Amino acid sequence: GENVEQHPSTLSVQEGDSAVIKCTYSDSASNYFPWYKQELGKRPQLIIDIRSNVGEKKDQRIAVTLNKTAKHFSLHITETQPEDSAVYFCAASMAGTYKYIFGTGTRLKVLA
Amino acid sequence: GAVVSQHPSWVICKSGTSVKIECRSLDFQATTMFWYRQFPKQSLMLMATSNEGSKATYEQGVEKDKFLINHASLTLSTLTVTSAHPEDSSFYICSAPGQANEQFFGPGTRLTVL
Repeated sequence: GENVEQHPSTLSVQEGDSAVIKCTYSDSASNYFPWYKQELGKRPQLIIDIRSNVGEKKDQRIAVTLNKTAKHFSLHITETQPEDSAVYFCAASMAGTYKYIFGTGTRLKVLA
Repeated sequence: GAVVSQHPSWVICKSGTSVKIECRSLDFQATTMFWYRQFPKQSLMLMATSNEGSKATYEQGVEKDKFLINHASLTLSTLTVTSAHPEDSSFYICSAPGQANEQFFGPGTRLTVL
């Protein structure tokens, strides 16, 4: 089955700096890769996603890149703000199954 | 956007009792729903896929007799934790898929077993 690894587990950056979180997946059949932000005790919130037919996607300060050959994808947050502090999860899914396998999570702290 | 609700939002029960958690899709139909468990400072672990009108599909290592899933209608799935023990204390989250592979998550249910 699919396995998703995520690094780093914790990340501290100064406000205004960039943050990068990386994930690798094992199943080449996976073709949908969402990123979620989760605050303590709350549901995960989708912040950006990418499909396997695209190499990069950007939404304001957030971008995701996908390397299908290497089976890894990354989340990039630029100009970080204190409100970006949260736990971020990547996930991998196969179209048609709707099943998500989540990465282990990254706790991001943005220091003011 | 699509909304998924869960009830209750939190529950405290005694060891050995059973607890039922409801997951509803409020403005769309869901033939499939998913149940996740999240322990403190850990990731969301998929427990099972709930299928309307048929048996749930459980992930490896999840006891189907302990975590009973019923998907009785196109908008409701229930998870019953039977004979709950303190190690079952966790955050349980359901989700329902959209048409483009996205998932709509419920707000979660925090279960504490004393």
